[in-house]
Amino acid sequence: DGGITQSPKYLFRKEGQNVTLSCEQNLNHDAMYWYRQDPGQGLRLIYYSQIVNDFQKGDIAEGYSVSREKKESFPLTVTSAQKNPTAFYLCASSLGLAGVGEQFFGPGTRLTVL
Amino acid sequence: GENVEQHPSTLSVQEGDSAVIKCTYSDSASNYFPWYKQELGKRPQLIIDIRSNVGEKKDQRIAVTLNKTAKHFSLHITETQPEDSAVYFCAASKHGGSQGNLIFGKGTKLSVKP
Repeated sequence: DGGITQSPKYLFRKEGQNVTLSCEQNLNHDAMYWYRQDPGQGLRLIYYSQIVNDFQKGDIAEGYSVSREKKESFPLTVTSAQKNPTAFYLCASSLGLAGVGEQFFGPGTRLTVL
Repeated sequence: GENVEQHPSTLSVQEGDSAVIKCTYSDSASNYFPWYKQELGKRPQLIIDIRSNVGEKKDQRIAVTLNKTAKHFSLHITETQPEDSAVYFCAASKHGGSQGNLIFGKGTKLSVKP
C-alpha cells in the first residue's frame, strides 16, 4: 500500500472556491493519473501525465486542472467551474501507461461541497 | 473510444460457492485486462490481469478468462470467503502510445454470506 499518498483524506469546500488535492509517489513511476469515483459509476479518468511537464485530458477534464512540475507530484485542482465536485478522488501511478505496468492507487480524498 | 460493460452490478453468494463477474469491451485493439478489488473505504488493488495473447490465467482461487472473438472476459472466484466481499472492477486498455489508459467497468458489489 505504501508509495503513493494523497492528502487530505477529507476535504470540505464552499461553492465557488477552488481546492487543490495532493498526490505524491516515491515509486519512481513515470505515469500518474487522477480518477473520480461516484457510486455506481466506476472510476472515470480526469487527467493523466506520462512525463514531467506534460499531461493530457481524460474523459471528464472539464472543471479540473493539473500540473506535473516534479516526477513525484501530480496535484489536482477542482475549480469553481466543476458543476458537481462532490466525489471520491483517487490518484494512481504506474511505471508506464496501462499495459506496461500495474497501476497503484492512493488512499483517496473525499471532497464534499457545502 | 473504448467502452467496458460489467455485469452484474451486485452479486450475493453463500460462503464456499463460486462467483463469476463478466465484462465486455468494444475496442478489438484492447490487449490488457486487469481486475481490481476495492474493499469498503479502501483503495482499489490489482488482483489479477490478463493480456490478449493468453486465454486464461489462474492465481489460487481466482481465475480470469478472455474470449477475444466475442470481446468479453470474466473473473471467477472459487470457494468464496467472507473476506472476498468487496467491489470488483474490470478494465481494458490498449498498450502503447497515448492510448494506453484504462477504461473501467462500473463495478460489481460482491457479498459473501457466511
